[in-house]
Amino acid sequence: AQKITQTQPGMFVQEKEAVTLDCTYDTSDQSYGLFWYKQPSSGEMIFLIYQGSYDEQNATEGRYSLNFQKARKSANLVISASQLGDSAMYFCAMREGISYNTDKLIFGTGTRLQVFP
Amino acid sequence: SQTIHQWPATLVQPVGSPLSLECTVEGTSNPNLYWYRQAAGRGLQLLFYSVGIGQISSEVPQNLSASRPQDRQFILSSKKLLLSDSGFYLCACGTVSTGANVLTFGAGSRLTVL
Repeated sequence: AQKITQTQPGMFVQEKEAVTLDCTYDTSDQSYGLFWYKQPSSGEMIFLIYQGSYDEQNATEGRYSLNFQKARKSANLVISASQLGDSAMYFCAMREGISYNTDKLIFGTGTRLQVFP
Repeated sequence: SQTIHQWPATLVQPVGSPLSLECTVEGTSNPNLYWYRQAAGRGLQLLFYSVGIGQISSEVPQNLSASRPQDRQFILSSKKLLLSDSGFYLCACGTVSTGANVLTFGAGSRLTVL
């Protein structure tokens, strides 16, 4: 069965520094997708970045990059030049398979990131 | 891009009372729809998903049910709420497309059962 593990319940980072949020996953499928979402205190879930299992290059979106290490089954999120507005919960998620019939995700337990001045 | 509306945003209900949370989607047709629940300080648990009108799949046995009476309407219900039903309920929408199928979430409904 597929599983997402986020071992860091909380992380602190100083403004303008980079931070890495860890995520490991477990799946028996060869085809899968990995996602990171941000949840501010308001509760909404904001999509940040996606990595497909067959993508050879690490995904990047602005200040977000995904450090994808397939052999280790890890998909860590790197946030560069942290800003105070980055303070939020961050969730790693996985979609098993590339079926167009379903795009359901399973989520990890999240990491609370706090950025201080 | 699609927009998801959820209501009510906040709800306080007594144990044993009924529940109805509604989710509607704009900007897309024939979407896959999802209900997730987030308990306090926890991750998201998938409750139900639907790939079409009247088609509901349940992920976990529980006190809740879901219905999809129209293409872009998804309803989460309960006949009698339990204390354990408290949580933050998120409706999400996925669309069939090439590349990454990203789930878009609504703003959520916070339910407190007393």
